[in-house]
Amino acid sequence: DAGVIQSPRHEVTEMGQEVTLRCKPISGHDYLFWYRQTMMRGLELLIYFNNNVPIDDSGMPEDRFSAKMPNASFSTLKIQPSEPRDSAVYFCASSSMPYRGPTQPQHFGDGTRLSIL
Amino acid sequence: TQLLKQSPQFLSIQEGENLTVYCNSSSVFSSLQWYRQEPGEGPVLLVTVVTGGEVKKLKRLTFQFGDARKDSSLHITAAQTGDTGLYLCAGASGNTPLVFGKGTRLSVIA
Repeated sequence: DAGVIQSPRHEVTEMGQEVTLRCKPISGHDYLFWYRQTMMRGLELLIYFNNNVPIDDSGMPEDRFSAKMPNASFSTLKIQPSEPRDSAVYFCASSSMPYRGPTQPQHFGDGTRLSIL
Repeated sequence: TQLLKQSPQFLSIQEGENLTVYCNSSSVFSSLQWYRQEPGEGPVLLVTVVTGGEVKKLKRLTFQFGDARKDSSLHITAAQTGDTGLYLCAGASGNTPLVFGKGTRLSVIA
């Protein structure tokens, strides 16, 4: 079975540019999560969706960040304009719903390593 | 905000040694998950513990959930170089998303 697929794997761009990260969750999963990982702050939840609807975006650092999930098989995380402090590894994860709520095990993609110069 | 503190942050040991890493919180969790993350990859679930006092074994890895469901430990027996990675614990509570610790970065040297 295909896991969570993220693209691109690496992105290097200059500050001020728009960055779009993409995620294809595992088919049949109801929840999709976007995380940012840095050495200093660890794994931070940015936003999560349930059945394509954003449930909690309180982790999104600023208005420069936005996320969409137009259908069950695709999500994007956009940064516009990008800044050097946005440099991190961004992960997408999805989960199914054998239990109640979003606390069941999550399946992670391999991440996008983003470098803003 | 529920916080999970993992210790130690970094651990470097020789192959064949035993080790224990810890995950502590002042909050009660309904369950706790352990993930391992290798360089260039996303975290992968190792185990979920649900019941206070529960012990689960995965080959040379032993996971324990504290009686009060506030803490957990991971013990590795006879570590191998393939155990190298970042070990993350994540707590689940009610209808809220998982809360992740910052992880213990383990390096096993041959």
